[in-house]
Amino acid sequence: QLRVQESGPGLVKPSEDLSLTCSVSPGFISSSSYFWGWIRQPPGKGLEWIGNIYYDGKAYYNPSLNSRVSMSVDTSKSQVSLRVSSVTAADTALYYCARLRPGGTFYFWGQGTLVIVSS
Amino acid sequence: DIQMTQSPSSLSASVGDRVTITCQASQDIRNYLNWYQQKPGKAPKLLIYDASNLETGVPSRFSGSGSGTHFSFTINSLQPEDVATYYCQQYDNLLYTFGQGTKLEI
Repeated sequence: QLRVQESGPGLVKPSEDLSLTCSVSPGFISSSSYFWGWIRQPPGKGLEWIGNIYYDGKAYYNPSLNSRVSMSVDTSKSQVSLRVSSVTAADTALYYCARLRPGGTFYFWGQGTLVIVSS
Repeated sequence: DIQMTQSPSSLSASVGDRVTITCQASQDIRNYLNWYQQKPGKAPKLLIYDASNLETGVPSRFSGSGSGTHFSFTINSLQPEDVATYYCQQYDNLLYTFGQGTKLEI
């Protein structure tokens, strides 16, 4: 059964880097047919796509975040990671990890992890 | 970048009503559009994929249509449990975009 669970520091200081982890049920992390994405949602606001990472390690990011974002997959740990550098208050959000079907459909979502950027 | 314009931003309707939400893409995205439902405090849930296909397990009162730049999402016979915010999402290229969302109240 697929399970996806995001985890992170909860509170990050401005200008620091943010690292989040998405833990996935063993056996579901690597597949040439399914991919992984990160989406965030500032409090009270809409959804913002952050980026996707594919089975071959290629990643594509939202142009508005491109220079500050990186994603990776660690199949040995069954984890997908997200790193956002030089965070500001605008990065305060609920961060979701989701599995993508071929084509671009987020069909399975984690419950999200809240990140607050504050000194 | 492809922009998605979703309307209305909020909507109030009665139980049993038919409700329609629209999404317009800034360029042709063929049928590469999904619809999600997000209830308060919950993660989004996929309802419609590829513009018009109902996700397994989703009630048939939900439907989607459209192609190119104009898309619509309809709830037939609105139910109390449909109170949520609904989002469209395009995936025509490798850079995805969500609509701004429509908050549906009863």
